[in-house]
Amino acid sequence: DIQMTQSPFSLSASVGDRVTITCRASQSISSFLNWYQQKPGKAPKLLIYAASSLQSGVPSRFSGSGSGTDFTLAISSLQPEDFATYYCQQSDRIPFTFGQGTRLEIK
Amino acid sequence: QITLKESGPTLVKPTQTLTVTCTFSGVSLTTRGVTVDWIRQPPGKALEWLGLIYWDDDKRYSPSLKNRLTITKDTSKNQVILTMTNMDPVDTATYFCVHHRGWTTLADSFDVWSQGTMVTVSS
Repeated sequence: DIQMTQSPFSLSASVGDRVTITCRASQSISSFLNWYQQKPGKAPKLLIYAASSLQSGVPSRFSGSGSGTDFTLAISSLQPEDFATYYCQQSDRIPFTFGQGTRLEIK
Repeated sequence: QITLKESGPTLVKPTQTLTVTCTFSGVSLTTRGVTVDWIRQPPGKALEWLGLIYWDDDKRYSPSLKNRLTITKDTSKNQVILTMTNMDPVDTATYFCVHHRGWTTLADSFDVWSQGTMVTVSS
């Protein structure tokens, strides 16, 4: 299985801050990397697919980059609704695997 | 617009079999490329992919659960059914059915999720 490792595990930030979350795959996955946002009690929501493509309806303050084994999710100017848990997920090969999640909290 | 919703028990006893049904609309599992997956999330933990079923009835399962999982479809009812045998308390989780788009493309991702159903395994 491909292991997905996110860092940091948790992150405190303020409204207006720029934050980045990283995701590392245990082997190359090209650009088969997706990012999801999950709020408490809700299903995950797709933010970024193919490492850097913004899902329809997602604000442009979200961006993704990377290829191979190292990927980054950036949020350019945090809004109150962005405080949530973020997961990366590889879609290169089965079994599809997720990172352990990064919890973004209000400072 | 694609929507998915599960139905099934909220409580099962250890060793019992769990059956969860996902009823969806806005897409047909007879259409080439359409895929539905199952993903679960134990309380406070990360997401775990369980398996999928393709439009052509091919299936793939997580190797760690392969011996316990069966995914089937009823195209006449627009339903996908997850069956998991020999349930254990560690299987306590929210179970999601998910539309999986972009088969064989870089857009391969889970773009529409059900609300999830919480299943507790306890005697």
